[in-house]
Amino acid sequence: EDQVTQSPEALRLQEGESSSLNCSYTVSGLRGLFWYRQDPGKGPEFLFTLYSAGEEKEKERLKATLTKKESFLHITAPKPEDSATYLCAVDRAGTALIFGKGTTLSVSS
Amino acid sequence: DAGITQSPRHKVTETGTPVTLRCHQTENHRYMYWYRQDPGHGLRLIHYSYGVKDTDKGEVSDGYSVSRSKTEDFLLTLESATSSQTSVYFCAISARQGANSGANVLTFGAGSRLTVL
Repeated sequence: EDQVTQSPEALRLQEGESSSLNCSYTVSGLRGLFWYRQDPGKGPEFLFTLYSAGEEKEKERLKATLTKKESFLHITAPKPEDSATYLCAVDRAGTALIFGKGTTLSVSS
Repeated sequence: DAGITQSPRHKVTETGTPVTLRCHQTENHRYMYWYRQDPGHGLRLIHYSYGVKDTDKGEVSDGYSVSRSKTEDFLLTLESATSSQTSVYFCAISARQGANSGANVLTFGAGSRLTVL
C-alpha cells in the first residue's frame, strides 16, 4: 500500500536554529514528490517538486532533497515567519497526490 | 488563492440535512479534486474529476457525491450530513500533463469549514 510518513509531528525551534523535516514514502511508480506549506486557516501553498533521487531545490531558507526512500526539508536559520505546517505529498501512477500528516513547525524569537 | 474559490467558507448544519460545497476555477484546468483535512489524518482525497461529467472516487468517498457540469465548477454534495463529516474541505486544481511535469502541481482553495451538529 502506498504510504507517506512525516516526522516529527511537531518541531519547536529557536530563531536561527537550523533543523530538518523528514518525509519517508513507500510508493510504486513515483512520479514526483511535493512539499507544501500551510498556514492556519488557509489552504496548502506549493513550495517544491522533486522528481528523481539526488535532486535538490532551494527557496530562501528552505532546501528540499530527495533519495529513493525519503525526502528532507532543511530549514537554515529559521525565522518566526517560517512557522507553519509543512506537508509532503507523492504523485504516483494514479491520479491524485497522497499526503503525509504534516509537521507543525514553531519558531520562536 | 488566485484562480480558485470555494463557497461557502463556513457552514454549520444539522445532522441529516443535505449540504453542497462549490469550487470554482478560472484557470481552465482539466483536473479538480476534493480533499478533507482532519487532525491526525492529514489531507484525504474524497473525489476527483478529470473532465466535464468525468469523476472518480478517492479513498474516503462514502457519503459524498460530486458533479461537474462545466469545466470551471466542481460540486461536492453530502446527501445527509453526519457528525463524522465535520471537517475542513479543500478543493484543488491541476493541469496534470503526465509524469515529471510541473503541471501536476495542485493549487488549493482557501477551504470550507463544515460543522455538522
